[in-house]
Amino acid sequence: KAGVTQTPRYLIKTRGQQVTLSCSPISGHRSVSWYQQTPGQGLQFLFEYFSETQRNKGNFPGRFSGRQFSNSRSEMNVSTLELGDSALYLCASSSPIALVQFFGPGTRLTVL
Amino acid sequence: GQQLNQSPQSMFIQEGEDVSMNCTSSSIFNTWLWYKQEPGEGPVLLIALYKAGELTSNGRLTAQFGITRKDSFLNISASIPSDVGIYFCAGQETSGSRLTFGEGTQLTVNP
Repeated sequence: KAGVTQTPRYLIKTRGQQVTLSCSPISGHRSVSWYQQTPGQGLQFLFEYFSETQRNKGNFPGRFSGRQFSNSRSEMNVSTLELGDSALYLCASSSPIALVQFFGPGTRLTVL
Repeated sequence: GQQLNQSPQSMFIQEGEDVSMNCTSSSIFNTWLWYKQEPGEGPVLLIALYKAGELTSNGRLTAQFGITRKDSFLNISASIPSDVGIYFCAGQETSGSRLTFGEGTQLTVNP
């Protein structure tokens, strides 16, 4: 079974721009979660989607949003980028039975 | 919010030595997970623990879910150079699937 895939792997943007990141979960997994990883704050939960509905949300500003499609693929969007948004954005998927989360390789976002 | 305290922050050991790291929480978790992350990659699941008191092994790795449900430890026996990486503990809340992560333990193994 293929693992979680994320595209793109690397991205460079400038302040004020917006960005969209994509995540394809493991086949059969319907839950997708997003995390932000930075050296200062570590791994922080952004949000979780299940069956196209946001089921859980972390403590991030409204500039961070996401959605999930009927095939369970998910996207997250960050608008009006700030320098502090530079981070590794990780996507994880889980099955309804096992609940454990499997992570993709991440998208490294650099905001200049 | 919930906090996970993971220690030690870093370890420098010789190949063949055993390693122990632990996590403590101010809150109860239903599930404890241990992940390993290498540079440029996402965290890889090592061990999942589902019941208080549970002791689970995966090769040279052994992890336990604390009786109070507020702590967990991970042991690595007979370390090898490929054990190098950052090890994270993570707790899963009772009410959802969000993971709360520890700060990580950076492991360096000298051959």
